[in-house]
Amino acid sequence: KAGVTQTPRYLIKTRGQQVTLSCSPISGHRSVSWYQQTPGQGLQFLFEYFSETQRNKGNFPGRFSGRQFSNSRSEMNVSTLELGDSALYLCASSVSGTEFGSTEAFFGQGTRLTVV
Amino acid sequence: ELKVEQNPLFLSMQEGKNYTIYCNYSTTSDRLYWYRQDPGKSLESLFVLLSNGAVKQEGRLMASLDTKARLSTLHITAAVHDLSATYFCAVTSGGGADGLTFGKGTHLIIQP
Repeated sequence: KAGVTQTPRYLIKTRGQQVTLSCSPISGHRSVSWYQQTPGQGLQFLFEYFSETQRNKGNFPGRFSGRQFSNSRSEMNVSTLELGDSALYLCASSVSGTEFGSTEAFFGQGTRLTVV
Repeated sequence: ELKVEQNPLFLSMQEGKNYTIYCNYSTTSDRLYWYRQDPGKSLESLFVLLSNGAVKQEGRLMASLDTKARLSTLHITAAVHDLSATYFCAVTSGGGADGLTFGKGTHLIIQP
């Protein structure tokens, strides 16, 4: 079966711009979580969506937001980009969320965002 | 706050040797995950450990979980070059908060 698909794979943006990243989960999975990976901070949880509702949110500023559509596809948006937002953004797909009983979470290939 | 510590963070070893990566976590968790990441790639799920004493093996990798000690180990047997990667452990805090909390990762280089 198809895996988790993230688009685009690479992005270069300028400070102050905004960006939208997309994640299509595995068919039948209703939970999508987003993570930021940087060399300094490692993998950090951004937020999780289930059935179009944000259930959990990590410790990130309000510039980071997301949404989920009825087909479970999710988008995350970062406004007013800063240099420190340069990172690999990963989304994870699971049936019901790792915090709510799902034993596995499958990750997409990620979107590499570079802010210049 | 749930914290996850891995050690070592960097490991260089020769093919054929055995080694163990350790993952300690700070509070009760009901499941522990091991992932592998190759450079520039995503996270590949290796193991999910669900209960105290759980042991899972796949090829040259074996993972175990001791919930009382809040410790998981990933043991590599007779390492081969193809196992070179970064290995992450992650835990859930349960109760609907915070997603997966990851360790910093162990960067493993296996030299021929």
